[in-house]
Amino acid sequence: ETVLTQSPGTLSLSPGERATLSCRASQSVTSNYLAWYQQKPGQAPRLLIYGASTRATGIPDRVSGSGSGTDFTLTISRLEPEDFAVYYCQQYGTTPRTFGQGTTVENK
Amino acid sequence: EQLVESGGGLVKPGGSLRLSCAASGFSFSSYWMTWVRQAPGKGLEWVANVKQDGTDKYYVDSVKGRFTISRDNAKNSLYLQMNSLRVEDTAVYYCAREARLRYSDVWGQGTTVTVSS
Repeated sequence: ETVLTQSPGTLSLSPGERATLSCRASQSVTSNYLAWYQQKPGQAPRLLIYGASTRATGIPDRVSGSGSGTDFTLTISRLEPEDFAVYYCQQYGTTPRTFGQGTTVENK
Repeated sequence: EQLVESGGGLVKPGGSLRLSCAASGFSFSSYWMTWVRQAPGKGLEWVANVKQDGTDKYYVDSVKGRFTISRDNAKNSLYLQMNSLRVEDTAVYYCAREARLRYSDVWGQGTTVTVSS
């Protein structure tokens, strides 16, 4: 099983600032099959990034993903009020699929 | 493209529950489908997935032998039969579509399962 470790656990930032979230895998992620999801309270997760760096439909270009192998990063270049949420990475290259424990981006 | 879960509720430890997920707006039979759960205040946990024709099914170790994923393509529906339920199965259960490259791109709103005596 591929264990994903996200850091930091909580990121306290202000609107307009840059957010950098990390996801580290216990073994290389097959074909860089790494996705990022955003979740707000009481809502289902929303796909942001797949294939480590491809934005999903409708995701603004201030959101970007990078990385390969075991180290991946989600970057939000300028935080908007709607970006304050919990973010999860997930590897979908092997079964069982696994998620990181999440990073909360909170308004400072 | 929409997924709507139903069937959640309160059940005693050792009991059973069957969750359903109704799909609309896309060709259901063309996609792998998956169940993901989220315990109260916790992160996301992948539970199971099933191939387009229902022949291949995979489960997280913690539910193997207790949960069964299935689908009815004629009814555009996905199911999760949950037996021998435990307190630790308490969670919101989401169904999700797996896109061609297997990430989950469409999610339902979730249904809540509470296992308590």
